[in-house]
Amino acid sequence: ETGVTQSPTHLIKTRGQQVTLRCSSQSGHNTVSWYQQALGQGPQFIFQYYREEENGRGNFPPRFSGLQFPNYSSELNVNALELDDSALYLCASSKDRAEAFFGQGTRLTVV
Amino acid sequence: AQSVTQPDIHITVSEGASLELRCNYSYGATPYLFWYVQSPGQGLQLLLKYFSGDTLVQGIKGFEAEFKRSQSSFNLRKPSVHWSDAAEYFCAVGDSGGYQKVTFGTGTKLQVIP
Repeated sequence: ETGVTQSPTHLIKTRGQQVTLRCSSQSGHNTVSWYQQALGQGPQFIFQYYREEENGRGNFPPRFSGLQFPNYSSELNVNALELDDSALYLCASSKDRAEAFFGQGTRLTVV
Repeated sequence: AQSVTQPDIHITVSEGASLELRCNYSYGATPYLFWYVQSPGQGLQLLLKYFSGDTLVQGIKGFEAEFKRSQSSFNLRKPSVHWSDAAEYFCAVGDSGGYQKVTFGTGTKLQVIP
């Protein structure tokens, strides 16, 4: 059974650019949640996808968007990057919105 | 809106000593409560969770937590700390959908000294 994998592990982008982060959910899981963890803070809920539909969203602007694919993997897209978007982005997968398992995260640095 | 407060930013304990990490939550109904641990550069690992029933919850790695509704608290405990327990610990509360939207505290960084 493979765990949750995220790619890339590290990324550096310039302010104003766009970025796509990827998450492969654990085998058998159909729900993916994304979190942003700024330095020294707890993770903040961005949104959740359940069976390819958005199923809840936190207080993030529309330039944060996502997708879930038929194989339940997921993407997080961020447009018009700002310096404050620098953070660790965590993906968590679960089956039917039950216990979530987290990936190692993608460290995004915006310069 | 749900919220979590972890009043201790850093805690230092000696190896073999007991540990208690504090957590207070705010939630309108019966909360779903969690404790996660995060080692440097790693994702989050679930230590234990409370949904209902017995208010003393046992988790992995010898941790336990007690839900006290009257105090809106869910403190994490371990009777004897090991050096490998050094990490950051997050308390979290979930909404009525369980894991649907989880709100995390700001974390407590645990240092273990020999």
